Amino acid sequence: GENVEQHPSTLSVQEGDSAVIKCTYSDSASNYFPWYKQELGKRPQLIIDIRSNVGEKKDQRIAVTLNKTAKHFSLHITETQPEDSAVYFCAALISSGSARQLTFGSGTQLTVLP
Amino acid sequence: DAGVTQSPTHLIKTRGQQVTLRCSPKSGHDTVSWYQQALGQGPQFIFQYYEEEERQRGNFPDRFSGHQFPNYSSELNVNALLLGDSALYLCASSSLQGANEKLFFGSGTQLSVL
Repeated sequence: GENVEQHPSTLSVQEGDSAVIKCTYSDSASNYFPWYKQELGKRPQLIIDIRSNVGEKKDQRIAVTLNKTAKHFSLHITETQPEDSAVYFCAALISSGSARQLTFGSGTQLTVLP
Repeated sequence: DAGVTQSPTHLIKTRGQQVTLRCSPKSGHDTVSWYQQALGQGPQFIFQYYEEEERQRGNFPDRFSGHQFPNYSSELNVNALLLGDSALYLCASSSLQGANEKLFFGSGTQLSVL
């Protein structure tokens, strides 16, 4: 099955700096890569996603890049703010017909220091 | 437009008991997936339901079973509870119509097994 590794497990940055979280996946059949933000005691919320036929996608301060050859994808947050502090999860989706399985990384605790 | 709703929010059970968790998908969604999230870890895929059938299953024992109803809502049943089943159980819904892979999560059911 798919295996997703995520680094780093914890990340502290100063407010206004950039943060980068990296993930690798093992199964080349994965074709969709979402990122979720989970605040303490709350549900995971989809913040950005990218399909396998796209190399980069940006939404305001958040961007995601995908390198299919290397099976790497990364989340970039610029101009970080204290409200960006949360756990971030990457994930990879394998879909086949009506079957779908989303595999998550182990998470990155991002702390933005004021 | 209601999002994904889960009930109950919290549940306490003892070892050996059985539990049923419920999920109503986001309006317009036809697919429900269940995830187990242990403290400090990423969500682990349990199974996915579409058209009232289990379409994909993760590495969980047969003690974990589910059901999807004609109105797309779903139940997760866990028999013979173990201490290790204590976790946050998340339901996610999506639509298999079109090329739409986005999964949206409910707030979860926090299960404690004593």
